[in-house]
Amino acid sequence: DAKTTQPTSMDCAEGRAANLPCNHSTISGNEYVYWYRQIHSQGPQYIIHGLKNNETNEMASLIITEDRKSSTLILPHATLRDTAVYYCIVRVLGNSGNTPLVFGKGTRLSVIA
Amino acid sequence: ETGVTQTPRHLVMGMTNKKSLKCEQHLGHNAMYWYKQSAKKPLELMFVYNFKEQTENNSVPSRFSPECPNSSHLFLHLHTLQPEDSALYLCASSPDRVETQYFGPGTRLLVL
Repeated sequence: DAKTTQPTSMDCAEGRAANLPCNHSTISGNEYVYWYRQIHSQGPQYIIHGLKNNETNEMASLIITEDRKSSTLILPHATLRDTAVYYCIVRVLGNSGNTPLVFGKGTRLSVIA
Repeated sequence: ETGVTQTPRHLVMGMTNKKSLKCEQHLGHNAMYWYKQSAKKPLELMFVYNFKEQTENNSVPSRFSPECPNSSHLFLHLHTLQPEDSALYLCASSPDRVETQYFGPGTRLLVL
């Protein structure tokens, strides 16, 4: 049970922002929102994660709603190399040890020239 | 380049063969993982090692045997596999308390 809901697929024009939504309405207070992506036939690549504040790094921005029931991953200027399956995952972080990543089906993003 | 390497990248084996997959991480992480990704299925966690000790076995058949001789290396020994075991096998590692996982490129396995 991946605990998240994402659209199956999305298209985005090259150079435009790609906004990938994720619903996680049953998220617990100590669960983080993680995003990974997987380019065809490669291993998943970590993108970003956050708890409740918006986060930004060199790859993307993560916007989490105030009630934390949904989030959006933003790729500000999508390129053809961003074509991949994007996974939104919620998981606990803490001193009790590692908790596994549970991957759902993700969103297949196609960036179109 | 994530700092996690896997060899071989591709492997074809018969059902009676014995082979091993190797994973090495150069990140100083203490936890390592094996995942399986079959066609059109989500990634499935197989094994977790933390400080060389196995902490999780996700009901994986005994024909898959993991080995973790040290925190930098992880093996998956394969014996009498079935065609349905054909998949992409992914290794990942993470620091001890901070659990962001970094994945290797995977080994694409075909069992004939």
